[in-house]
Amino acid sequence: DSGVTQTPKHLITATGQRVTLRCSPRSGDLSVYWYQQSLDQGLQFLIQYYNGEERAKGNILERFSAQQFPDLHSELNLSSLELGDSALYFCASSPRDRGPEETQYFGPGTRLLVL
Amino acid sequence: DQQVKQNSPSLSVQEGRISILNCDYTNSMFDYFLWYKKYPAEGPTFLISISSIKDKNEDGRFTVFLNKSAKHLSLHIVPSQPGDSAVYFCAARGYGGSQGNLIFGKGTKLSVKP
Repeated sequence: DSGVTQTPKHLITATGQRVTLRCSPRSGDLSVYWYQQSLDQGLQFLIQYYNGEERAKGNILERFSAQQFPDLHSELNLSSLELGDSALYFCASSPRDRGPEETQYFGPGTRLLVL
Repeated sequence: DQQVKQNSPSLSVQEGRISILNCDYTNSMFDYFLWYKKYPAEGPTFLISISSIKDKNEDGRFTVFLNKSAKHLSLHIVPSQPGDSAVYFCAARGYGGSQGNLIFGKGTKLSVKP
């Protein structure tokens, strides 16, 4: 158990809908990262938050947004869902922003299926 | 263009023997490399890492080697056990505007046969 929790574990929804994925980082970790893993791609970095502020952005679609709250949990919002958004979404956390040998610890993921 | 490549999609090894998983990268600015293990329906589990200033790091049965001139790293598992059967991902830490994000290879599925 990495200490990172994600809810829900599974989500089935329809095209055009909006969903929210939730992540609680390990105790004491200030950074939260979101990754997407689809069938034909490896793990792709989406976005990073550090202590409530956006720190880095990867290949995140404009239909997707995220935030980190004062209690450090984070939410990833996916809107106008398309079939191609079906994937595993992972959250990871680390103690700082970019410390030396900073390791990210991953949650169990949310499996999203868009029908 | 893939910056981190794991060219072997799968590897099969006998229990007790050595497993060697390979990873190549293209960007000499990467400063930290990690290996993760992933079981189906679970998140990646951190295994071992190495800073770019080192060429070897060891933790129990797991050793990671880094060859910066060749832009190559490898994970050695000795001895291999059936419980090691999983998908192994190599990751490199990004730099500059990407800050701390990890860039992953596509994984190698390791099967350890009893």
